[in-house]
Amino acid sequence: GDSVTQMEGPVTLSEEAFLTINCTYTATGYPSLFWYVQYPGEGLQLLLKATKADDKGSNKGFEATYRKETTSFHLEKGSVQVSDSAVYFCALKLAAGSARQLTFGSGTQLTVLP
Amino acid sequence: DAGITQSPRYKITETGRQVTLMCHQTWSHSYMFWYRQDLGHGLRLIYYSAAADITDKGEVPDGYVVSRSKTENFPLTLESATRSQTSVYFCASSEGRVNTEAFFGQGTRLTVV
Repeated sequence: GDSVTQMEGPVTLSEEAFLTINCTYTATGYPSLFWYVQYPGEGLQLLLKATKADDKGSNKGFEATYRKETTSFHLEKGSVQVSDSAVYFCALKLAAGSARQLTFGSGTQLTVLP
Repeated sequence: DAGITQSPRYKITETGRQVTLMCHQTWSHSYMFWYRQDLGHGLRLIYYSAAADITDKGEVPDGYVVSRSKTENFPLTLESATRSQTSVYFCASSEGRVNTEAFFGQGTRLTVV
């Protein structure tokens, strides 16, 4: 079935370090891909998305490129801040079918130290 | 206020009791979803609804019941709560197009003792 596999955490970085969180997916057809962020005690917020191959989503210094050939959507940021500490979820949404739900990875906890 | 709201934010209930979690959205989104979040599992879909009076099971529906008599409301009921249903529950809504994101509520932390 359709699934998302994320890099296992937790990930701990120093401020201004480079961040990569790996995400690969298995899906029939051509899904839309999303990264969500969850701050402590809050719900999930959309961070960025890409809806077709080679699209790059970007927001708040984060980027991810939809790579159909490697079925990947890795999240990157060049210089993380303490305020980026959160749980990050990769997700996909299928084009076919009626459900329209998001399928999530297991999440990656990021802690950024000053 | 515009958005999606869940109530209550926190709930403690006893095993065997019925409990209902509420979800309300103001965007008139056609789709609504209930997920549960558990450590190591990410978010798993319990039920979803494509429109008023149309609901369907997700990945983990056992022990839960939903209804959707109005577009804006999508309550989730645990008919006889069990300890394994201790979790954080998130409601979400979205438009029907595949390239649109879902918007999430703040979550309900449910503890079954």
